Amino acid sequence: EVQLVESGGDLVKPGGSLRLSCVTSGFTFSNAWMSWVRQAPGKGLEWVGRIKSELEGGPTDYAGPVRGRFTISRDDSKNTLYLQMNSLKTEDTADYYCTTGIWYGDLGYFDYWGQGTLVTVSS
Amino acid sequence: EIVMTQSPATLSVSPGERATLSCRASQTVSSYLAWYQQKPGQAPRLLIYGASTRATGIPARFSGSGSVTEFTLTISSLQSEDFAFYYCQQYNYWPLTFGGGTKVEIK
Repeated sequence: EVQLVESGGDLVKPGGSLRLSCVTSGFTFSNAWMSWVRQAPGKGLEWVGRIKSELEGGPTDYAGPVRGRFTISRDDSKNTLYLQMNSLKTEDTADYYCTTGIWYGDLGYFDYWGQGTLVTVSS
Repeated sequence: EIVMTQSPATLSVSPGERATLSCRASQTVSSYLAWYQQKPGQAPRLLIYGASTRATGIPARFSGSGSVTEFTLTISSLQSEDFAFYYCQQYNYWPLTFGGGTKVEIK
């Protein structure tokens, strides 16, 4: 059974930093391209970014609003995905979901989701 | 960026009735369209991919149709557990984008 368990969400001040983790099990993490998707309170879903497998060099891609501030990384020895968030803004307040995907070339959809972790950016 | 527009924002339906949800893309996305269901306090769940293929374990009352820019999710006979939010997502262009969602509520 695929399991994705996020943690690390917290209340942080604007301009601050936070690191989220996603511990995974039930699939071969080292082969998986992983994504983060977020959802602001009462709003829709927004793709944040993706990391490919280390076998492919682990390149990352990011949505425009977070590019240059957020960094996705992975530790295949721990089956864990990370999201380092710097220079946080109030508009980054959201539930952050870790997801696996089915990819067609560079594009795809999300087949498994974690339960989410809440990040609140407020002074 | 491809803009996905869902309608209506809220759909009021009685249990046992049919629900039809729409999703429109600002440019063609071929059949690279997925649908998700999200219940309050829960993570989204994949329902449909490839515009019309049900994901594993999804009941047959859920069906997807459409291509190019116009897509439909139909729930043939609403069950109590189907009252939720539904989102479409395109995966034909970078970046991946979602629609704003449709809330299906009990009439």
